[in-house]
Amino acid sequence: NAGVTQTPKFQVLKTGQSMTLQCAQDMNHNSMYWYRQDPGMGLRLIYYSASEGTTDKGEVPNGYNVSRLNKREFSLRLESAAPSQTSVYFCASAMDNLNTEAFFGQGTRLTVV
Amino acid sequence: QKEVEQNSGPLSVPEGAIASLNCTYSDRVSQSFFWYRQYSGKSPELIMSIYSNGDKEDGRFTAQLNKASQYVSLLIRDSQPSDSATYLCAVNSGGYQKVTFGTGTKLQVIP
Repeated sequence: NAGVTQTPKFQVLKTGQSMTLQCAQDMNHNSMYWYRQDPGMGLRLIYYSASEGTTDKGEVPNGYNVSRLNKREFSLRLESAAPSQTSVYFCASAMDNLNTEAFFGQGTRLTVV
Repeated sequence: QKEVEQNSGPLSVPEGAIASLNCTYSDRVSQSFFWYRQYSGKSPELIMSIYSNGDKEDGRFTAQLNKASQYVSLLIRDSQPSDSATYLCAVNSGGYQKVTFGTGTKLQVIP
């Protein structure tokens, strides 16, 4: 049981390049989330998908897009990377969008130069 | 004022002592509260959740919630060096998309 799997673990991009972060969960969870974690800022929600077929903006959505490809997979796309997007990105999933435990992937450390 | 506030630490305690981690929140309608542990370079993992006023115990961990004072705490008894990590407080004010994380308190347990 892998839980939540993110790829890649590390990535360096040049300003203006695009990339997609992949996330998959095998726990049959309905809800999935993308967070970024910056020093002194805590975890901030970028986008979430409460259920298959739906996506919504979180606290810091600008510069990102998401796709809930199916129940298992939720990808995050940076269309034109900026240095301000240098961060650690975490995907998470939960059984539902209520008061249930969230399980986090191992994270992607992204550097934009 | 930040929505969820934690002292960044580090909080240093000797092995075997009680570690007390504190968190205050600003949204009075908050409904559920979580404590996550995050080791350096790793992802957060849930260690406790609490939904009603009072104490909730799980092994060496006790979560305490006081909604009137908008205060939630985590006590770790018999602290071990393996407890050294950053502890994130998270507060849910309605749906998981409304979970707000604190910036975390770094705990160091000294052997």
